Amino acid sequence: DVKVTQSSRYLVKRTGEKVFLECVQDMDHENMFWYRQDPGLGLRLIYFSYDVKMKEKGDIPEGYSVSREKKERFSLILESASTNQTSMYLCASRSRQGGSNQPQHFGDGTRLSIL
Amino acid sequence: GDSVTQMEGPVTLSEEAFLTINCTYTATGYPSLFWYVQYPGEGLQLLLKATKADDKGSNKGFEATYRKETTSFHLEKGSVQVSDSAVYFCASSIQGAQKLVFGQGTRLTINP
Repeated sequence: DVKVTQSSRYLVKRTGEKVFLECVQDMDHENMFWYRQDPGLGLRLIYFSYDVKMKEKGDIPEGYSVSREKKERFSLILESASTNQTSMYLCASRSRQGGSNQPQHFGDGTRLSIL
Repeated sequence: GDSVTQMEGPVTLSEEAFLTINCTYTATGYPSLFWYVQYPGEGLQLLLKATKADDKGSNKGFEATYRKETTSFHLEKGSVQVSDSAVYFCASSIQGAQKLVFGQGTRLTINP
């Protein structure tokens, strides 16, 4: 089974802090994704990466950056945290083999509160 | 652009009732379609998928059929259980891209 591990289940930070959310997958997947989940808005894609050191903006990249130095690890960075970034953050990975038939595999999420 | 629309929730049913959660999509080309389930406090898990028209995905008593003519992928289950209480997401692949587009989710509560 694919395992996607997010480093923290719950995180509390202060406004203006630099925040790092870490995600690791164990299936050698090429693609990795960061989403945020908010009530009534579903999942919104922040950034994704299709290979090491490669990244592409999703639908809501403002206020975020990402890093992918190794294939198994994809980090989401909040450069200067703000209260409107309080949310559930979900990481996912996916194999590029088989094209669009391949599902995404999700971690358990990090519930981030910015005070 | 590509989009997915799900029936609005929340949906509340009694145990053993029949379940339908509607999902329609708009897409360029022929996407693959997915249903994900999110149990309380957890991430999303793949429930089932279908990759071409008239395919039926099934898992854990849930079914969904890829209907190209109505651009729909409705989720059904004949007899729900309390343990099916969760949020359900419909999703569509985007042709030529590595991404999925998700519906807004439908919260399902099953009462004993």
